[in-house]
Amino acid sequence: QKEVEQNSGPLSVPEGAIASLNCTYSDRGSQSFFWYRQYSGKSPELIMFIYSNGDKEDGRFTAQLNKASQYVSLLIRDSQPSDSATYLCAVRTGRRALTFGSGTRLQVQP
Amino acid sequence: DVKVTQSSRYLVKRTGEKVFLECVQDMDHENMFWYRQDPGLGLRLIYFSYDVKMKEKGDIPEGYSVSREKKERFSLILESASTNQTSMYLCASSAGQGHQPQHFGDGTRLSIL
Repeated sequence: QKEVEQNSGPLSVPEGAIASLNCTYSDRGSQSFFWYRQYSGKSPELIMFIYSNGDKEDGRFTAQLNKASQYVSLLIRDSQPSDSATYLCAVRTGRRALTFGSGTRLQVQP
Repeated sequence: DVKVTQSSRYLVKRTGEKVFLECVQDMDHENMFWYRQDPGLGLRLIYFSYDVKMKEKGDIPEGYSVSREKKERFSLILESASTNQTSMYLCASSAGQGHQPQHFGDGTRLSIL
């Protein structure tokens, strides 16, 4: 079992819809959870992070964490074509480095 | 804003060469990291450093070494480059421990011929 699992996609949503990206992790001791966006040929850029159970909102983005279910998600409201990218879930499990999922490719259709 | 600068965006080297990839950060971060990213395999940690002259192996250290002589600079060394080291190499840095995020450089796309 991979430490951090994401559906590779592509996840296709129409413009203006809500995109829901999901991630599960295997280590119950995981402490911090990060979402990065990566455009093709570019490096990952941080969208947001969460470390407490519940929801955290930042503009059109909401991160949701459920430690009991070992599940973290990212919701993108009012999806735009410019949101089309690969979204990487990353988890800190005790060491200083992050463990990354393989990413979910999101396509927002105009 | 955090600035992580990698010395080259694209690099082409030959099998057997010694290759140096350089990374500099301007935020006085304690932690620096080297990852490689390959299609279908995601980001994999090669080495990281939490202080000057300190280093720890990541998940795939074989064939690589690192050097951190100054806090702002972290170098990745391919001792004898091989074709299976053709990849995108990403450097990142972060502050301290706890919930601090990592910030990435633009990446170096390395081709070994």
